[in-house]
Amino acid sequence: EAGVAQSPRYKIIEKRQSVAFWCNPISGHATLYWYQQILGQGPKLLIQFQNNGVVDDSQLPKDRFSAERLKGVDSTLKIQPAKLEDSAVYLCASSFFGTVNDEKLFFGSGTQLSVL
Amino acid sequence: GDSVTQMEGPVTLSEEAFLTINCTYTATGYPSLFWYVQYPGEGLQLLLKATKADDKGSNKGFEATYRKETTSFHLEKGSVQVSDSAVYFCALGGSEKLVFGKGTKLTVNP
Repeated sequence: EAGVAQSPRYKIIEKRQSVAFWCNPISGHATLYWYQQILGQGPKLLIQFQNNGVVDDSQLPKDRFSAERLKGVDSTLKIQPAKLEDSAVYLCASSFFGTVNDEKLFFGSGTQLSVL
Repeated sequence: GDSVTQMEGPVTLSEEAFLTINCTYTATGYPSLFWYVQYPGEGLQLLLKATKADDKGSNKGFEATYRKETTSFHLEKGSVQVSDSAVYFCALGGSEKLVFGKGTKLTVNP
């Protein structure tokens, strides 16, 4: 079974530049999550999609971050403009139904972003 | 709000030593509790889970018991191996959202 695919693996940009990350979840998974993992901290949920609709984006800094999942399959997370504090690993995860108490999430390997 | 507190790392052990990683939580309602593990260069993967009080989750020799009275979910393994070297995250499923602790890095030396 193919896992959650993410690209790129690493990205280095200067502050105020823009960057985009791509995620392809496991086939058939309706729910897709983007997490931000800052060094030394646990992953923090940025946005959750159910098919192509947003379920939770309460912790997404909407002035600079945007995400879409147009066809309910793969997703793109964008940062524009980037700030130094955006340096982190961006994790994508997916699950069948989004019922976190009943099922496990499958995570990709993440995109490590460095903002200089 | 919901939160998870893990013991500070890093933790360094010799092979075959006993492992405990402490985890306590604060939550409303009755969340499920999880341990996720992140091996070097890989994504997080579920290690074990418990869905209600007094449940014990277990996998690959690791165990954790959901203790409602002490709001804890400590991870234990009787004899660690070099291959257990990884970062371990305690998490709770609150309000349909996973809340993670900061992670504890474990290094096991031969």
